[in-house]
Amino acid sequence: EVQLVESGGGLVQPGGSLRLSCAASGFTFYNYAMNWVRQPPGKGLEWVSAISGYGGSTFYADSVRGRFTISRDNSKNTLFLQMNFLGAEDTAIYYCARSRDGYSFDYWGQGTLVPVSS
Amino acid sequence: DVRMTQSPSSLSASVGDRVTITCQASQDIKNYLNWYQQKPGKAPKLLIYDASNLETGVPSRFSGSGSRTDFTFTINSLQPEDIATYYCQQYNNLPITFGQGTRLEIK
Repeated sequence: EVQLVESGGGLVQPGGSLRLSCAASGFTFYNYAMNWVRQPPGKGLEWVSAISGYGGSTFYADSVRGRFTISRDNSKNTLFLQMNFLGAEDTAIYYCARSRDGYSFDYWGQGTLVPVSS
Repeated sequence: DVRMTQSPSSLSASVGDRVTITCQASQDIKNYLNWYQQKPGKAPKLLIYDASNLETGVPSRFSGSGSRTDFTFTINSLQPEDIATYYCQQYNNLPITFGQGTRLEIK
């Protein structure tokens, strides 16, 4: 059974940093690109970042480029999102999602909430 | 960026009704269009991929059609468990973009 479990969310002050993790199981992790998608409370979905299976290619939304870094450790089946210089606009539930055939997100984690507030 | 415009933003329908949601892309995205269902407090779930392909395990009352810029998502015979918000998503171009969502309620 495919499982994605995010962790690392929590209250952070404006200007602060946070590192999210997503532990994957039930599939051959390095065979799949992975993504982060976020959702501000009560609002719609926003794709944040993607990384190829072996980690050689990364992609970002303009809203986070230069502040967020996506990475993965295929030996530990874990995806990461390092978030720096956080602002109120980054407040959201952050989901990790597996890509299939391009960017069809066929499995999602349960999400981790990141509130940015003083 | 490709702008995805969904309509309506919300709708109310009765059990057994046929429900249709449309999604218009600001440029040609071929058939690189997916539909997701999100229930309150849950992660989104992929229902339709590549505009018209039903994801494994998804009931056949859900369907999708369209290509290039105009797409349609249909629920035939609405069921109470279909209450959710539905999103379209394009992946022809980065950044990946979603429609703003359609909240579906039962009358």
